[in-house]
Amino acid sequence: DAKTTQPPSMDCAEGRAANLPCNHSTISGNEYVYWYRQIHSQGPQYIIHGLKNNETNEMASLIITEDRKSSTLILPHATLRDTAVYYCIVRHNTGGFKTIFGAGTRLFVKA
Amino acid sequence: GAVVSQHPSRVICKSGTSVKIECRSLDFQATTMFWYRQFPKQSLMLMATSNEGSKATYEQGVEKDKFLINHASLTLSTLTVTSAHPEDSSFYICSARDYTGTKTNYGYTFGSGTRLTVV
Repeated sequence: DAKTTQPPSMDCAEGRAANLPCNHSTISGNEYVYWYRQIHSQGPQYIIHGLKNNETNEMASLIITEDRKSSTLILPHATLRDTAVYYCIVRHNTGGFKTIFGAGTRLFVKA
Repeated sequence: GAVVSQHPSRVICKSGTSVKIECRSLDFQATTMFWYRQFPKQSLMLMATSNEGSKATYEQGVEKDKFLINHASLTLSTLTVTSAHPEDSSFYICSARDYTGTKTNYGYTFGSGTRLTVV
C-alpha cells in the first residue's frame, strides 16, 4: 500500500473549518483514500473515503486532487470534540487488505 | 452499522501471567480480523491478520508464540498475551471487515480497544 505524509499537528479555532492535508504521491490507480480519526484512548473511527471524486458526508468533505497525489479532509465547523489524531490512509478496497497507519495529524480545536 | 466489540476494555495483570482479549463482530460475520498495538503517543502498529478457521499471519517482528491468535468463528477472534511482561503494556485494538460491503466504509470497523497494564 502507498505511504502517506501528513503534518504532525495543526490548530483550529472552534467553529472554523479545519483543513487537514495529506500527500500520497505513490498511490496506485485502484487504491482508495481513507480518513480515520482517533480520540484519546478509543479505537479509530471511520470518517470518509474516496477514489477520485470529491466526497461529502455528515462528518466531513474529502477533496482529492486530479492527479490523486494529495487530498484534504475538511471539517466544516470544527468543535472541541473534533480534537483527535486524524489518519490518512491509502488502501485497496477488496479482499483482506491491511490498514496500515502512519503517524497522523494531531488536530487541536481551541475555544 | 457494523459494530465491533472488544473485551475487556481495561485489564491489569501480574508479570508472567497470560491475558486473553476478545474481539467480536456483533452484527456481521468477519472472516478476517486485524490486531493492532499502540504505545503512548504513537500510531497503531499492525500485529497480525486473523483468518477464520486458519492460522493467523503475523507481521515481521511480532512473536507468534507470545501473541496467540484464535479465530474459531466468524464473529470472534481472541488475542492471548502469554507470559506477559511490563513491556507488553499497551493499547490493543482489533478491526474487522464486514463482507456484506456496506457503503459506509466497506466494513473496516475498529473495536474500542483494550488497555493492558502488566505489573
